[in-house]
Amino acid sequence: QVQLVQSGAEVKKPGASVKVSCKASGYTFTSYGISWVRQAPGQGLEWMGWISAYNGNTNYAQKLQGRVTMTTDTSTSTAYMELRSLRSDDTAVYYCARALAAADTYYFDYWGQGTLVTVSS
Amino acid sequence: SYELTQPPSVSVSPGQTARITCSGDALPKQYAYWYQQKPGQAPVLVIYKDSERPSGIPERFSGSSSGTTVTLTISGVQAEDEADYYCQSADSSGTVVFGGGTKLTVL
Repeated sequence: QVQLVQSGAEVKKPGASVKVSCKASGYTFTSYGISWVRQAPGQGLEWMGWISAYNGNTNYAQKLQGRVTMTTDTSTSTAYMELRSLRSDDTAVYYCARALAAADTYYFDYWGQGTLVTVSS
Repeated sequence: SYELTQPPSVSVSPGQTARITCSGDALPKQYAYWYQQKPGQAPVLVIYKDSERPSGIPERFSGSSSGTTVTLTISGVQAEDEADYYCQSADSSGTVVFGGGTKLTVL
């Protein structure tokens, strides 16, 4: 069965960086992309970007360009999302999700359990 | 920036039909997807490509599209369907966009 297991909760100070991992199992990792979606407390879902697990190509949300980097390690079937220069409004639950291509966009059929990142001084 | 508009809340009694709408200018050209999210849990895909249902999703969940509006319909609503529902689509460049979410309350 397809599973995405994320790393544990993080507490960071403003200006720091965080790196969240997402280990995939139950499918051929390089046959799908991975997207990252975040959800601030009590708020809706925000798409952060996508990475191809096949060739490492990325597509980031314009709002986060320059602060976010998504990578994969095919030897361990793990995807990573690093967010730099953290601010208080980056406090959110961060989800990874398996991305299926549909026309010129993506949708998400399996999700990780979420990782709470808290940014506080 | 492109937006998808959902009603903040919908309320129905058990056994009735719930309809949740999502409006956006690009919807005639882009598929819509629907996710169910219960408190403290990750979202679950319930409808893809406007009206397709993933395996394991009950038949009472259906989707439809008309012009700039897509609709998630839940027939014979059950207490377990109480959750937040999000539509998702894309703008003209393919960038993923989520609606603001609709809280479904089962009275």
